[in-house]
Amino acid sequence: GENVEQHPSTLSVQEGDSAVIKCTYSDSASNYFPWYKQELGKRPQLIIDIRSNVGEKKDQRIAVTLNKTAKHFSLHITETQPEDSAVYFCAASRAGFKTIFGAGTRLFVKA
Amino acid sequence: GAVVSQHPSWVICKSGTSVKIECRSLDFQATTMFWYRQFPKQSLMLMATSNEGSKATYEQGVEKDKFLINHASLTLSTLTVTSAHPEDSSFYICSARGTGGFADEQYFGPGTRLTVT
Repeated sequence: GENVEQHPSTLSVQEGDSAVIKCTYSDSASNYFPWYKQELGKRPQLIIDIRSNVGEKKDQRIAVTLNKTAKHFSLHITETQPEDSAVYFCAASRAGFKTIFGAGTRLFVKA
Repeated sequence: GAVVSQHPSWVICKSGTSVKIECRSLDFQATTMFWYRQFPKQSLMLMATSNEGSKATYEQGVEKDKFLINHASLTLSTLTVTSAHPEDSSFYICSARGTGGFADEQYFGPGTRLTVT
């Protein structure tokens, strides 16, 4: 079946450094790629998303890039802060089909 | 916009009883709702997909007679855990996907923590 691989599973960075999380998807028909942030005991929150007609999207300290040819997409967080510590999930989907989630990356930002 | 509520937020029940969890889209019409189960430190495990007015589609390995899903309206879906056992204890999260501008975006409810004693 379709799947999304996410790396790394755990990431520890110093406050102020950048963090990068990478995902690879298998369904070439996927055209929507959201990223979710989940804090302990809370719901996943959509933080940024990108569609297949765009190669890059930025929102303040967060950016996402998409390489359709390689079926890769990545999340970049710059100037990390302790409150960025959470689990981040990437996902791939297309309208009418279920969303496939990555396994998650646990990000620790050390003050 | 795109708010999804879920009720209750936590519930404790005795083994053998049934528990109903409600998921509502508050400001948009959710043509599709998803039910997930999440174990500690793990990803979201899709249990079933429900479309308004039709039977839910269950993922492989999920017992449809144990996890009853009803999507009676465009704003409400319910998950009933029947004859609950301690191994059903988990964090259950719903999400909703709408139409128009929300056709591919998926928004999550706050989750329900179920403990079966």
